[in-house]
Amino acid sequence: QVRLVESGGDLVKPGGSLRLSCAASGFTFSDYYMSWIRQVPGKGLEWVSHISKNGGAMYNVDSVKGRFTISRDNAKNSLYLQMDSLRVEDTAIYYCARYVSAFDIWGQGTMVTVSS
Amino acid sequence: IVMTQTPLSLSVTPGQPASISCKSSQSLLQSDGKTYLYWYLQKPGQPPQLLIYEVFKRFSRVPDRFSGSGSGTDFTLEISRVEAEDVGVYYCQQSTQLPCSFGQGTKLEIK
Repeated sequence: QVRLVESGGDLVKPGGSLRLSCAASGFTFSDYYMSWIRQVPGKGLEWVSHISKNGGAMYNVDSVKGRFTISRDNAKNSLYLQMDSLRVEDTAIYYCARYVSAFDIWGQGTMVTVSS
Repeated sequence: IVMTQTPLSLSVTPGQPASISCKSSQSLLQSDGKTYLYWYLQKPGQPPQLLIYEVFKRFSRVPDRFSGSGSGTDFTLEISRVEAEDVGVYYCQQSTQLPCSFGQGTKLEIK
């Protein structure tokens, strides 16, 4: 069964850091690009970042450049998002998704709240 | 690329058709001849699920009452006969050019 499970979401103060993880199972993780997408509860979807199969290429939306870093460990079938210098506007549900130009498999999401 | 969906909400009687429009600010036709336009449904309390890929191709286990069409900058998702399980928010999304972008979403309710 193809599955993605996110973890690491929490309440953090502005300027703080957080590391999200996504555990993949049921498919050959190293064969796929992977992405992070976020959603403010009740609002729309925003693509955040994605990473190539071997981790050699990464792409970020402008609003997180210099603050968020996507990475992966193919030996552990895991995707990560290191989030630094967090802002109130980063508050959202963060989903990891398998990227095949479409986002064909999604996790259930992990909530990140940035508030003082 | 900005993706604009209309309408933003839709109330449909079961068994009736529904149609959602998605317009992109630039052509989504790539140099490889493919058009990277997708449709998703986000049911209440769930993550989005892929319905349609590359404009008109149904993803696995998607009922054939869902269909996609369009080209260039204008795209449409149609549901031939709406069922109660179709409620939620529908999003179009493009991957022709980074950053990937989504439409604002169209909320479908049942009358």
